[in-house]
Amino acid sequence: EVKLLESGGGLVKPGGSLRLSCVASGFVFSKYRMNWVRQAPGQGLEWVACITTGSSHVFYSDSVKGRFTISRDDATNSLHLQMNGLGAEDTALYYCAREAVGVIQFYFDSWGQGARVTVSS
Amino acid sequence: SYELTQPPSVSVSPGHTARITCSGDVLAKQYGYWYQQKSGQAPLVVIYNDSERPSGIPERFSGSSSGTTVTLTISGVQAEDEADYYCQSADNTDSYTVVFGGGTKLTVL
Repeated sequence: EVKLLESGGGLVKPGGSLRLSCVASGFVFSKYRMNWVRQAPGQGLEWVACITTGSSHVFYSDSVKGRFTISRDDATNSLHLQMNGLGAEDTALYYCAREAVGVIQFYFDSWGQGARVTVSS
Repeated sequence: SYELTQPPSVSVSPGHTARITCSGDVLAKQYGYWYQQKSGQAPLVVIYNDSERPSGIPERFSGSSSGTTVTLTISGVQAEDEADYYCQSADNTDSYTVVFGGGTKLTVL
C-alpha cells in the first residue's frame, strides 16, 4: 500500500522558516517524480513544487520561487520542502503528492494527509 | 500563466447526471485530470488523461474533452458523490508548471 506521511508543520512568525518532510512507503520512491501541493483554508488546490527522479530537475510555482526549496533523499525515501521568508499567504495545508509514471501524463496518483502550516505573529 | 476555469457550484438530485466543465487554453495541448475531495480528506484522482478512469473508481464517473474544455460527468449521482471537484493540467513545453481549476462544489439535493 502506498503511504505518504508529512511532518514538520506548525506555527511560524512572518519572515520565518520551516522545513516540511514526507516519508514514503509501499513503492520504489526513487522511480517517481514528487510534488508539494498546498491548500489554503477554505480555498482550492495550488501546486507548489516538483522534483524529478534523481533530483535532476526542480520546478516551482511563481508564488514560491526563490523562497522555497524542494529536495529528496532516495536513501531514506524522503521528500522535503524548505520554506523561507514565510508570509501569511503561505498559510495552508501542504500535501506531499506522488506523480503518476508516464511520459505525457502529469497528475498525482497518491497524496498524503497533509502538514498544516500557519504563518502568524 | 495558465488558468483553468470551473463553475463554483453544481447541484443535482440523486440518480440524475452531473456535468462539471473546466476550460483553459492549456487543455488544447495537454491532458486534463479530475480530483474528488471530500471534506477533511486528501484529493483522489477520478479521471486521468481526459477520460481514463483509475481502478476502483465507479463507472458512473466519466470524462471527455473537446478543444479547450474537459468535462467530468457523473451519471446516476449518489449522495456519497457530494464533494469538491478540481480539474488539473500541466505543461512542460518550456519549463514545467501545474495548474488547478478553482474547484466545483457538487451538492446532491
